[in-house]
Amino acid sequence: AQKVTQAQTEISVVEKEDVTLDCVYETRDTTYYLFWYKQPPSGELVFLIRRNSFDEQNEISGRYSWNFQKSTSSFNFTITASQVVDSAVYFCALSEYLFYNQGGKLIFGQGTELSVKP
Amino acid sequence: GAGVSQSPRYKVAKRGQDVALRCDPISGHVSLFWYQQALGQGPEFLTYFQNEAQLDKSGLPSDRFFAERPEGSVSTLKIQRTQQEDSAVYLCASSSGPDRARGIYEQYFGPGTRLTVT
Repeated sequence: AQKVTQAQTEISVVEKEDVTLDCVYETRDTTYYLFWYKQPPSGELVFLIRRNSFDEQNEISGRYSWNFQKSTSSFNFTITASQVVDSAVYFCALSEYLFYNQGGKLIFGQGTELSVKP
Repeated sequence: GAGVSQSPRYKVAKRGQDVALRCDPISGHVSLFWYQQALGQGPEFLTYFQNEAQLDKSGLPSDRFFAERPEGSVSTLKIQRTQQEDSAVYLCASSSGPDRARGIYEQYFGPGTRLTVT
C-alpha cells in the first residue's frame, strides 16, 4: 500500500537557520512521483516540486533543495537561511502511475508545521 | 491566467441539509481532483475526473457524496444530508496531465471551501 510519513509534526527555528523536513514513503511500484507542497496560514496549497522515481538527482531552487534517495525511500526538503515567510505547513505527497486513466491522485503525509521566528 | 477558484469559501450547514460546492479549474486542464482535509491532517483524495468522465471515486466516504463535471470544466461536489463528521475543508485541484510521455503532472489547488456542519 502507498504511504507517506512525515515524522516531524512541528519544527521551530530562528531566522537564518537551516532546516530539513523529512519525508519517507512506501510504494510497491517502480514508477511513482513525489511532490512537496506548502500550505501557508491562508490555507491554499502551493506546489513546490515534482520528482519522478527515475530521476535521483538532487535539486536546488534558490534557498530550497531536495534530496531524493531511493535506497532509503526518502525525499527530504531543506530550507537554507530560513525566513519568517517560510512559516507554513509543508506536505510531502506520493502518486503512483498505475494506469493512464487514474490521473495520479496524491497520497499526502500528515504535514510538518514549520515556525520561523525572527 | 487565473488559478483554481472555489465557491463558497465558507459554508455553514445544519445537520441534514444538502450542500453544493463549486470548483472552477484552470482553463484547459484535463484532470480535476477533489480532496477532503480535516483539521491538522493532510488532504485525502475523494474523486477524480478526466474531462467529463469520473474515473475514480474510490475516496468518496459514503453515498451521500456525489460529484459531477458535466462539460469537462466546472465541477460540483454535492453532499446530501450533511453530518457533523463532514465538517472539513474541501479542496479542488486541477492538472494538465497525465500524458504517456511525462506521466503524472503536478496539481494546482484552489483555496478550498470550509464546511462546518452544526
